[in-house]
Amino acid sequence: DTAVSQTPKYLVTQMGNDKSIKCEQNLGHDTMYWYKQDSKKFLKIMFSYNNKELIINETVPNRFSPKSPDKAHLNLHINSLELGDSAVYFCASSTGQNQPQHFGDGTRLSIL
Amino acid sequence: EDQVTQSPEALRLQEGESSSLNCSYTVSGLRGLFWYRQDPGKGPEFLFTLYSAGEEKEKERLKATLTKKESFLHITAPKPEDSATYLCAVRALIKAAGNKLTFGGGTRVLVKP
Repeated sequence: DTAVSQTPKYLVTQMGNDKSIKCEQNLGHDTMYWYKQDSKKFLKIMFSYNNKELIINETVPNRFSPKSPDKAHLNLHINSLELGDSAVYFCASSTGQNQPQHFGDGTRLSIL
Repeated sequence: EDQVTQSPEALRLQEGESSSLNCSYTVSGLRGLFWYRQDPGKGPEFLFTLYSAGEEKEKERLKATLTKKESFLHITAPKPEDSATYLCAVRALIKAAGNKLTFGGGTRVLVKP
């Protein structure tokens, strides 16, 4: 009965590859987010979707493309992976009002 | 640009030794300040939301307070299970910001028995 689930939990891949991370929430929330947590532990917003519509798109390279097939899912596809993409990526969801965001347990991406 | 600074970066406490964590923020109109707890290998877990200066929230040994420039998380008589990284985040009033949270770098708390 996990509220926000991400797959995979770990992702180790070579530079230049393309990979995807999936996120699903069963909380009935209408807003979903992707955050990146770097080695210094800072969490930074990347994208936000509300009812499948892109709301927030921070300064993120075009190699990162979010896709929301429905309001319970928000996937992140990354093209041409670079060493600097190594980080932990967190998915979150909220009701879209001024309510707290609920986070998944993260996907640790390591680029070799 | 919204900014959140947390201090100290790390805190070592003996069990039962009360202390406070600080979160200083600069935001173009505060819509909400959020405290989260993060355990190693896990996602942030929501603790509190504070909306206006003077507000206080409590949960077990934790108490969060808010002023116009900072928030404090007081840990009273901590136990080893309170060991975690505590994150502070702000949400701005500007509609264009959506529901974006701006996080601080966190305070790593270690409570020794």
